[in-house]
Amino acid sequence: KQEVTQIPAALSVPEGENLVLNCSFTDSAIYNLQWFRQDPGKGLTSLLLIQSSQREQTSGRLNASLDKSSGRSTLYIAASQPGDSATYLCAVRHRSGGSYIPTFGRGTSLIVHP
Amino acid sequence: DAGVIQSPRHEVTEMGQEVTLRCKPISGHNSLFWYRQTMMRGLELLIYFNNNVPIDDSGMPEDRFSAKMPNASFSTLKIQPSEPRDSAVYFCASGDSNTDTQYFGPGTRLTVL
Repeated sequence: KQEVTQIPAALSVPEGENLVLNCSFTDSAIYNLQWFRQDPGKGLTSLLLIQSSQREQTSGRLNASLDKSSGRSTLYIAASQPGDSATYLCAVRHRSGGSYIPTFGRGTSLIVHP
Repeated sequence: DAGVIQSPRHEVTEMGQEVTLRCKPISGHNSLFWYRQTMMRGLELLIYFNNNVPIDDSGMPEDRFSAKMPNASFSTLKIQPSEPRDSAVYFCASGDSNTDTQYFGPGTRLTVL
């Protein structure tokens, strides 16, 4: 059974810091990995998606990397801002029976204070 | 596009009552996911449809839960009878097969008293 772990569970940093959020998964036979952001009381917003054949994806101040062999992904946030405060979740799409289903981590709750 | 639409946004009901949650996916998307989010268990996949056909329902907790997708623009998740432990936020997400990206709705917060 695929298990997805996110470390740290919570993080509080001053504005301007560069951050690394970690996601690990137990079964490396994945189809893709997706990072999401969730604001309080809201749904999830997709940030970056990395296919299994890719090593990284970038969007603005965000960079996500994938190392399938070690079962790890990192989300790098450059020059953090208070508006980055949210919970960040990673989801791994993996084979289950005859289909590929997503399994989510519990998330990292990020607070960026001015 | 208006994004994924879910209704109702909030539902408060009494134990034993039937609850129906509704979802309208993004037009053109061919996959649809129902999730449940709680503090205790995080975000759990309940059921996954592809081209209106249920592909994986291994996450549906009990026979009290059922989901349908009669056409490409509508899906329902029904709980009958509801129990207090069903209280959670239920999310619907639709997927774009070209990009494999999931797009989430705003969720339905269900409280069963």
